[in-house]
Amino acid sequence: ETVLTQSPGSLSLSPGERVTLSCRASQSVDSDYLAWYQQKPGQAPRVLIYGASTRATGIPDRFSGSGSGTDFTLTISRLEPEDFAVYYCQHFGNSPWTFGQGTKVEIK
Amino acid sequence: QVQLQESGPRLVKPSETLSLTCNVSAGSMSPYYWSWIRQPPGKGLEWIGYVYYSGSTNYSPSLKSRVTMAVDTAQNQFSLKVRSVTAADTAVYYCAGRRRGHYYMDVWGKGTTVTVSS
Repeated sequence: ETVLTQSPGSLSLSPGERVTLSCRASQSVDSDYLAWYQQKPGQAPRVLIYGASTRATGIPDRFSGSGSGTDFTLTISRLEPEDFAVYYCQHFGNSPWTFGQGTKVEIK
Repeated sequence: QVQLQESGPRLVKPSETLSLTCNVSAGSMSPYYWSWIRQPPGKGLEWIGYVYYSGSTNYSPSLKSRVTMAVDTAQNQFSLKVRSVTAADTAVYYCAGRRRGHYYMDVWGKGTTVTVSS
């Protein structure tokens, strides 16, 4: 089973700041198979990034993804008020298709 | 755009079977991998498994011994059963779909809260 470890667990930032979130895999993941989601309270997750670096339809270009092998990153270039949420990575390599434990981005 | 809606009992007694159905509307069930994902209160997301539109299944090892998923393409729905539930199975349960060739969940239900309690 591929374990995804996200860091940090949480962080407090101000609107306008840049944030970088990490997702580290316990074994190599094909970058085609790595996705990032955003979840707001009381809502289902929505996909932000797939294929490690491709923005999903309608996702603003302040969101970007990068990485390969075991290390992947989600960057938000300038935080907007609506970006304060929990972010998860997920892989679609060998089953099970595990999620990371999430990173909570809070307003400072 | 395909839409999903979960349904089923909100309260299940310990040791009984949790049963949920996900109705698929505004689109075809093929060629999707239909997943169930759960989220205990205040915690992260856990992938439970999938049922492919053809009926094949794949379950997470952590739940494999207690889980059954099935698809009914005639009724445009798929289902989840979790046997011998305990309080640890209390969670929001989401159904979601991953289109073949896409490596992300591109459609989600709104989720339904299931509480295990006597």
